[in-house]
Amino acid sequence: NAGVTQTPKFQVLKTGQSMTLQCAQDMNHEYMSWYRQDPGMGLRLIHYSVGAGITDQGEVPNGYNVSRSTTEDFPLRLLSAAPSQTSVYFCASSLAGASDTQYFGPGTRLTVL
Amino acid sequence: AQKVTQAQTEISVVEKEDVTLDCVYETRDTTYYLFWYKQPPSGELVFLIRRNSFDEQNEISGRYSWNFQKSTSSFNFTITASQVVDSAVYFCALSSVSDYKLSFGAGTTVTVRA
Repeated sequence: NAGVTQTPKFQVLKTGQSMTLQCAQDMNHEYMSWYRQDPGMGLRLIHYSVGAGITDQGEVPNGYNVSRSTTEDFPLRLLSAAPSQTSVYFCASSLAGASDTQYFGPGTRLTVL
Repeated sequence: AQKVTQAQTEISVVEKEDVTLDCVYETRDTTYYLFWYKQPPSGELVFLIRRNSFDEQNEISGRYSWNFQKSTSSFNFTITASQVVDSAVYFCALSSVSDYKLSFGAGTTVTVRA
């Protein structure tokens, strides 16, 4: 099993550009989530999904979209990048929900100029 | 609403010293789960432990031990005889069963000096 994979590992964008961060898992987990990590603030939930076709907002959803067309994939889209979105982004998955152990991908370091 | 507080921002110790990381949580639910994750300098997040609110039995795993006290809403983590490889950021997290979210503390940076 590859576990949770994320691409790309690094990305630099200009303000206003859009892009998609990819996340995939091969553990047949129902629950998937996206977090951002900023210095001194821990990890904050952006969006999550409890299964294919179902998504919901987390703490900091503004400026981000998600979709879950398959169990395996959970892409995160930045609609119009802003410098405030410079962060490290982690995707995670668990078998049945946030109360299960979540396994994290390696992260994507995004810089918006 | 649920909240996790890790009051210690940074801890620096010399190798072989014990290190205790504090975690205090808030939730209105009676059923919840507590976690500790480790983030080494390489950046990945490594799962360490998960406990549910009905199991207050403290646990020891090698050099790691956890002290869960519902009366004080604390879930502290101790590294015994620390090693340089223990240098990392440690996160405490909480999930209540009524919520589909995992709430993280701000993290404690542990530096172990040789």
